[in-house]
Amino acid sequence: EVQLVESGGGLVAPGGSLRLSCVGSGFTFGNYWMHWVRQSPEKGLVWVSRINPDGSSISYVDSVKGRFTVSRDNAKNTVYLQMDSLSAEDTALYYCARRDGVGPKGHLALWGQGTLVTVSS
Amino acid sequence: DIQLTQSPSSLSASVGDRVSITCRASQSISTYLNWYQQKPGKAPKVVIYGASSLASGVPSRFSGSGSGRDFTLTISSLHLEDFATYYCQQTSGTPRTFGQGTKVEI
Repeated sequence: EVQLVESGGGLVAPGGSLRLSCVGSGFTFGNYWMHWVRQSPEKGLVWVSRINPDGSSISYVDSVKGRFTVSRDNAKNTVYLQMDSLSAEDTALYYCARRDGVGPKGHLALWGQGTLVTVSS
Repeated sequence: DIQLTQSPSSLSASVGDRVSITCRASQSISTYLNWYQQKPGKAPKVVIYGASSLASGVPSRFSGSGSGRDFTLTISSLHLEDFATYYCQQTSGTPRTFGQGTKVEI
């Protein structure tokens, strides 16, 4: 079955860290750009980060730059999101997603079920 | 950052209605625009990509149009399963911003 499964979410105190994982199966993971998107009732869907197939090209939204680090291990079919210096504003459901298509046709065609991150004391 | 503004924020409709949702970008994004459908408790699902291409498995009652700054998602005849929240997303620039969403409800 073609799927993405996230894990690693949970309750963390402000200033703390978490590492999210997203495992892909049923497709050639190393061929795809992977993205992280988060969602909260207050802010809706927010694109967080992306990483290209070999990990050499990475982008972040400004609000997480310097605090979050995306990486991947294609041998393990896994993409990671290391989140440091967490604040309440980072509380959200975090999705990983696979990008299909190129150029104007690029789109997030496959999504995981999400993993919930709650930052609270 | 490229801002996307959807309108309306919500709409009430009935089964069989024709429904249109618009998305305006703060600058020209060519056809780098996707539409996603999200139902409660579920991940978003792409319905239209590249402004007008129908995603795999999506019914033909869904269509997308537009280029530059203005885009439209149209559902020609609303089915019960189409009641959901719809988001546009641009892929012209980084960050890949989303619109605020449009809730289609009965």
